[in-house]
Amino acid sequence: KNEVEQSPQNLTAQEGEFITINCSYSVGISALHWLQQHPGGGIVSLFMLSSGKKKHGRLIATINIQEKHSSLHITASHPRDSAVYICAVPRRNTDKLIFGTGTRLQVFP
Amino acid sequence: DTAVSQTPKYLVTQMGNDKSIKCEQNLGHDTMYWYKQDSKKFLKIMFSYNNKELIINETVPNRFSPKSPDKAHLNLHINSLELGDSAVYFCASSLQRNTIYFGEGSWLTVV
Repeated sequence: KNEVEQSPQNLTAQEGEFITINCSYSVGISALHWLQQHPGGGIVSLFMLSSGKKKHGRLIATINIQEKHSSLHITASHPRDSAVYICAVPRRNTDKLIFGTGTRLQVFP
Repeated sequence: DTAVSQTPKYLVTQMGNDKSIKCEQNLGHDTMYWYKQDSKKFLKIMFSYNNKELIINETVPNRFSPKSPDKAHLNLHINSLELGDSAVYFCASSLQRNTIYFGEGSWLTVV
């Protein structure tokens, strides 16, 4: 079992739909990262959070440290949101990121 | 200006060759990383340097040798390339374990 699990692995949606991607982890962490990888391959950091909730535009990330769970939400999804979304956590007090296997999102017009 | 830049973006080479991938960051970050993304798109850390000092050295063959001449550069040299080394290699940097900035990746194909 991976130390970082994401669900679903694949997700398709119609433009405008509300999207939720989940991440569960089994290690103790200081923070959690959500990353976006576009088909071209580049990786962009979306959020780094250690508690509560963060919002950036149509993206919202939440984390529950006690339950070791985080969610990434996309409101009013758009085809340009199509990408792989990756959850990653560092082992406590280290720089070593452990990555989830990613969620491939496709948003159709 | 590109924050984390790595070169080359694409590299096709024969088995047995030695090659290097260069990485530079202009963000003033103190930590730099090399990650490998395999054919199944799974990312794994290879190395981490903090202020030019090796911090993380995962179970990576000795053929892979990182070199950090200064805080802004972390190069990856690979000796005696094997077919299994084909992957995308990402350089990244961060400041005091905060947000990580990734380079655009280097696609290595060993034939």
